Amino acid sequence: DAKTTQPPSMDCAEGRAANLPCNHSTISGNEYVYWYRQIHSQGPQYIIHGLKNNETNEMASLIITEDRKSSTLILPHATLRDTAVYYCIVRVNYGGSQGNLIFGKGTKLSVKP
Amino acid sequence: GAVVSQHPSRVICKSGTSVKIECRSLDFQATTMFWYRQFPKQSLMLMATSNEGSKATYEQGVEKDKFLINHASLTLSTLTVTSAHPEDSSFYICSARRHLDTEAFFGQGTRLTVV
Repeated sequence: DAKTTQPPSMDCAEGRAANLPCNHSTISGNEYVYWYRQIHSQGPQYIIHGLKNNETNEMASLIITEDRKSSTLILPHATLRDTAVYYCIVRVNYGGSQGNLIFGKGTKLSVKP
Repeated sequence: GAVVSQHPSRVICKSGTSVKIECRSLDFQATTMFWYRQFPKQSLMLMATSNEGSKATYEQGVEKDKFLINHASLTLSTLTVTSAHPEDSSFYICSARRHLDTEAFFGQGTRLTVV
């Protein structure tokens, strides 16, 4: 699976949009971009994933560049509870029993009042 | 989303004893479960992949005789840390995937402290 590069930390003001970047310049054509987050001392939580089109759900939006070499996770109105480490992961979607997630160091997002 | 439950959430054990951690998929059948370990201020490291009814596949450097994994049913996988030592103290996390689904769902983690 391709590797990703994320800034180690970011700050965001409460109520503002949080934009978390991720570089994945070696991504293959069949690899998806996944985002998870981990709040302190909890298991990771799935946020969103996409292949090449932009995606939006109740938690966030995912913007993937046309060349797919980078993406941005957008939390439209960050709250204090969004403070967490955010992981960007690229992997192939398998229909069978494979497909473990390889976690990098992620971005520690601190939402401040 | 689907729910994965781990038990216990915290455990303290004496050095040399064994500890069993359970991972259950509560509202779906999980053909594949994954076990991770996370040391303080570090990222999650995959330990092993288990498929229901077959032997687990361990990552390089993970001792299969020390970390026993059993995935006997489609809703339960267990990780047993045998002859635990203080260096095994860590945060252990499981995740589960439905067959043919894409995203994995994670348990809340188990904090193991070996004294």
